[in-house]
Amino acid sequence: GDSVTQMEGPVTLSEEAFLTINCTYTATGYPSLFWYVQYPGEGLQLLLKATKADDKGSNKGFEATYRKETTSFHLEKGSVQVSDSAVYFCALRPSYNTDKLIFGTGTRLQVFP
Amino acid sequence: AAGVIQSPRHLIKEKRETATLKCYPIPRHDTVYWYQQGPGQDPQFLISFYEKMQSDKGSIPDRFSAQQFSDYHSELNMSSLELGDSALYFCASSSTSRDTQYFGPGTRLTVL
Repeated sequence: GDSVTQMEGPVTLSEEAFLTINCTYTATGYPSLFWYVQYPGEGLQLLLKATKADDKGSNKGFEATYRKETTSFHLEKGSVQVSDSAVYFCALRPSYNTDKLIFGTGTRLQVFP
Repeated sequence: AAGVIQSPRHLIKEKRETATLKCYPIPRHDTVYWYQQGPGQDPQFLISFYEKMQSDKGSIPDRFSAQQFSDYHSELNMSSLELGDSALYFCASSSTSRDTQYFGPGTRLTVL
């Protein structure tokens, strides 16, 4: 079935370091891919999305490219800040005729000054 | 910009009681989704509604029911509560295109 696999956390970085959070997926159809961020005690915020192969989503310095050949959607940021500390969820919507999002287990990012 | 509103934000119930969670979508959004997030887990899809009709169904227990009203708000009704129902319940909404789901802040349900 459809699934999302994320790298386990926590990921601990110093401020201004480069960030990569790996996400791979399994899907039988043509999924859309998303990254959501959850700050402590808050809900899920959409960070970026990509709806077809080779699309690049970007927002607030974060980027992810939908790579069909490697079934991946890795999240990257060139220079992290303390305020980026949160849990990051990779998610997929399996096809246009289903509503559900399937989430990965989440990766906690901790950025220290 | 207006966001998804959920009420209450926190709810404490005893086992075997009932609970009702409410969700008010972003204005002009006609689709509502419900998710359950257990402690330290990823969100799990429960159910969705489009134009007041059930659109898709996930792992929603038979003890739970939901509906969407004419003003597009939605309610999740939970009966015979169990300890394992303690979780964060998210509502999300989207426009007719349904390509992106925008999440509310969640309702934290604690069952004692």
